[in-house]
Amino acid sequence: DGGITQSPKYLFRKEGQNVTLSCEQNLNHDAMYWYRQDPGQGLRLIYYSQIVNDFQKGDIAEGYSVSREKKESFPLTVTSAQKNPTAFYLCASSARQFTGELFFGEGSRLTVL
Amino acid sequence: AQSVTQPDIHITVSEGASLELRCNYSYGATPYLFWYVQSPGQGLQLLLKYFSGDTLVQGIKGFEAEFKRSQSSFNLRKPSVHWSDAAEYFCAVGAYTGGFKTIFGAGTRLFVKA
Repeated sequence: DGGITQSPKYLFRKEGQNVTLSCEQNLNHDAMYWYRQDPGQGLRLIYYSQIVNDFQKGDIAEGYSVSREKKESFPLTVTSAQKNPTAFYLCASSARQFTGELFFGEGSRLTVL
Repeated sequence: AQSVTQPDIHITVSEGASLELRCNYSYGATPYLFWYVQSPGQGLQLLLKYFSGDTLVQGIKGFEAEFKRSQSSFNLRKPSVHWSDAAEYFCAVGAYTGGFKTIFGAGTRLFVKA
């Protein structure tokens, strides 16, 4: 079945460490997105990519980095510069650009100890 | 600025009762409109969408939503709630705001009592 796979589902990190969250899709979608979810705040856009080798900052990009070397993959690195990284991270993709219709992965929960 | 408001943080309904979740948006033109559902610890699933045409749209799991331009609203409804509908529901709009983005409301948590 086609879909979006995020890994790991749970991740624990010590302060000062960088961590990378994986996102892979086999839907043949051009656009991919990373959102952060905190209780009571909905979803906030971190980074997005409309095509391979190109990506743009979202609303809360500080302390995060991404790459888009392959159409299927859009990994997110949470760097030590992110002041409050504990959150639920969601990866999404879109088949129809400029509509906002998104397909989501199951999410990755990052906890900083 | 473009925004999405879900006035109810949480709602409790009895199983078998009807449901309406409210959503209002702020945008200069008619946006693309969506409702998503999220079970605890899971990703979001698209329930329904409105792009154009008939303002009453049908979705999965027996949900429907009505776009009312005059009220800038896109409320979600279901005539009879099942216990499995307990989840968090997000209204969203697709709009141009410094690039094309999907903007989410803060969500409404639905509790279903027996």
